[in-house]
Amino acid sequence: DQQVKQNSPSLSVQEGRISILNCDYTNSMFDYFLWYKKYPAEGPTFLISISSIKDKNEDGRFTVFLNKSAKHLSLHIVPSQPGDSAVYFCAARAISNFGNEKLTFGTGTRLTIIP
Amino acid sequence: DGGITQSPKYLFRKEGQNVTLSCEQNLNHDAMYWYRQDPGQGLRLIYYSQIVNDFQKGDIAEGYSVSREKKESFPLTVTSAQKNPTAFYLCASSIGAEEAFFGQGTRLTVV
Repeated sequence: DQQVKQNSPSLSVQEGRISILNCDYTNSMFDYFLWYKKYPAEGPTFLISISSIKDKNEDGRFTVFLNKSAKHLSLHIVPSQPGDSAVYFCAARAISNFGNEKLTFGTGTRLTIIP
Repeated sequence: DGGITQSPKYLFRKEGQNVTLSCEQNLNHDAMYWYRQDPGQGLRLIYYSQIVNDFQKGDIAEGYSVSREKKESFPLTVTSAQKNPTAFYLCASSIGAEEAFFGQGTRLTVV
């Protein structure tokens, strides 16, 4: 049962335009969400996160939007640059009293920026 | 420099052999994780440990074993019981509810 879903396995965007990557989740206990970027044969690197008490978080060219009622989040990259070409993973965490909880990842979306 | 180190980067194993993947972190993180990446499957959790001498099975623990004798180290053993071990393995660590930091990965190939 895939609790975090990225329904678009790939996305191509023209350089300079906006890239929008989508993620849906089913577990209502998730209250912290993260986006990771991954190049081939490397470990994922953290990009941006959002807590469920917010609906938007912005960091430079990257903005994450959270719609809790729809159990949907999206990552916006604007303007898109060639170096943004990578696989993007959405991840979710249910925060426990202990403070640590496992991350559940989506299947990833391969973003290709066309020069 | 603080970080998380996986070794080796590439590993070949004969069928029927056990093999151990190393993961070391000097970030003073309490939690450590092992993920497996297969094409089209995303990252699937094998095992995770929230504290020394304790660990829990993830979604695909069968055929794997781990230990957490030290805070800094979380080795993963791929046993002969794992029927399809060829994959890219990723180790991660985190503290509290913050983001996890990943190692560079180990690509295991069964020959």
